[in-house]
Amino acid sequence: DAGVTQSPTHLIKTRGQQVTLRCSPKSGHDTVSWYQQALGQGPQFIFQYYEEEERQRGNFPDRFSGHQFPNYSSELNVNALLLGDSALYLCASSLEWETREETQYFGPGTRLLVL
Amino acid sequence: KNQVEQSPQSLIILEGKNCTLQCNYTVSPFSNLRWYKQDTGRGPVSLTIMTFSENTKSNGRYTATLDADTKQSSLHITASQLSDSASYICVVRRGSTLGRLYFGRGTQLTVWP
Repeated sequence: DAGVTQSPTHLIKTRGQQVTLRCSPKSGHDTVSWYQQALGQGPQFIFQYYEEEERQRGNFPDRFSGHQFPNYSSELNVNALLLGDSALYLCASSLEWETREETQYFGPGTRLLVL
Repeated sequence: KNQVEQSPQSLIILEGKNCTLQCNYTVSPFSNLRWYKQDTGRGPVSLTIMTFSENTKSNGRYTATLDADTKQSSLHITASQLSDSASYICVVRRGSTLGRLYFGRGTQLTVWP
């Protein structure tokens, strides 16, 4: 049973470029959340997708957009990259239905460096 | 303002020693609190999760406590090992189980031989 997978593992871009990061959730999970983690900081919530729609969103500009596919995999797109977008981008999957022991499973992340 | 504060920011201990990490939060209404371990360059892995009615939960050498009245939590690590070197992140969920998560900045723990 594969856990959460993300691709690519590392990426280098220049300012102004666009980037697409990909995430495959843990088998059986239907909800995907994306986080940005700057060096030495805790993860910051970007948005969450369920049933191919953005359900919640954190305080990120519209340059950050996403998509969820029918197979529950997801993409994070960032346009007009800024130096400050350099970070580890984490994807987490979970089940939509409520449970006391619900847990998000995180992927290994994509390390993005903007030059 | 909903916030999660962790202390200390970093900690160095010798192998075999115990340590305690702190988490204070102002997130309201409270749903649950969990501690994650994040190895360098990896995604966080859940250690424990506690709801309002639970005040202690153990996972091997890790024991988490929760005082919902004072909005404080601690993570106690017993008989530390080199593999415990990681960032430990406190995460509080607001409102219902589907509510937003608030992350602390983490405590960077280094265990020396």
